[in-house]
Amino acid sequence: EVQLVESGGGLVQPGGSLRLSCAASGFTFSPYSMNWVRQAPGKGLEWISYISGSGSIYYADSVKGRFTLSRDNAKNSLYLQMNSLRDEDTAVYYCARSQGQYWGQGTLVTVSS
Amino acid sequence: DVVMTQSPLSLPVTPGQPASISCRSSQSLVYSDGNTYLNWFQQRPGQSPRRLIYKVSNRESGVPDRFSGSGSGTDFTLKISRVEAEDVGVYYCMQSTHWPWTFGQGTKVEIK
Repeated sequence: EVQLVESGGGLVQPGGSLRLSCAASGFTFSPYSMNWVRQAPGKGLEWISYISGSGSIYYADSVKGRFTLSRDNAKNSLYLQMNSLRDEDTAVYYCARSQGQYWGQGTLVTVSS
Repeated sequence: DVVMTQSPLSLPVTPGQPASISCRSSQSLVYSDGNTYLNWFQQRPGQSPRRLIYKVSNRESGVPDRFSGSGSGTDFTLKISRVEAEDVGVYYCMQSTHWPWTFGQGTKVEIK
């Protein structure tokens, strides 16, 4: 069974940093592209970053230059380093495989002073 | 960026009746490989999104056959042939042809 488990969310002050992790299991991780998608409270879905199995990376303009996506295929894990956080980054962050075939349960990031 | 426009944004439905959601893109979603990467997601209250349809009309494993997707180019539709109580939630279209991938605003389906 495919499982994606996000962790690392929490409360952080504006300008602060946080590192999200997504642990994958139930499938061979390395060939698959992975994504982060976020959802602000009461709002819709926003795709924010993608990494291919070979390591190509794309970011949404809203996070480019502040967020860094990486993966560790040996640990079956995906990471999102979030720096210079803003109030508008407050959201539930989901990791998702490929083009959204599987999703994790999400981790809540709250940016507030 | 490709803008995805869904309508309606709210859809009250009677159980057993059909429902239809439209999704229009600001540019063609046909990729250079000939495929059209248009997906439909369901998000039930308090749950993570779940993909129902990929590449316009392909149902995910385990998705009831009352859900169907159709369309081409810039105009797409998700249809529920007979709505059931468990179909309540928000439905999103998403294009994964062009960077950045973009979602529609969401259509909230509720039971009358």
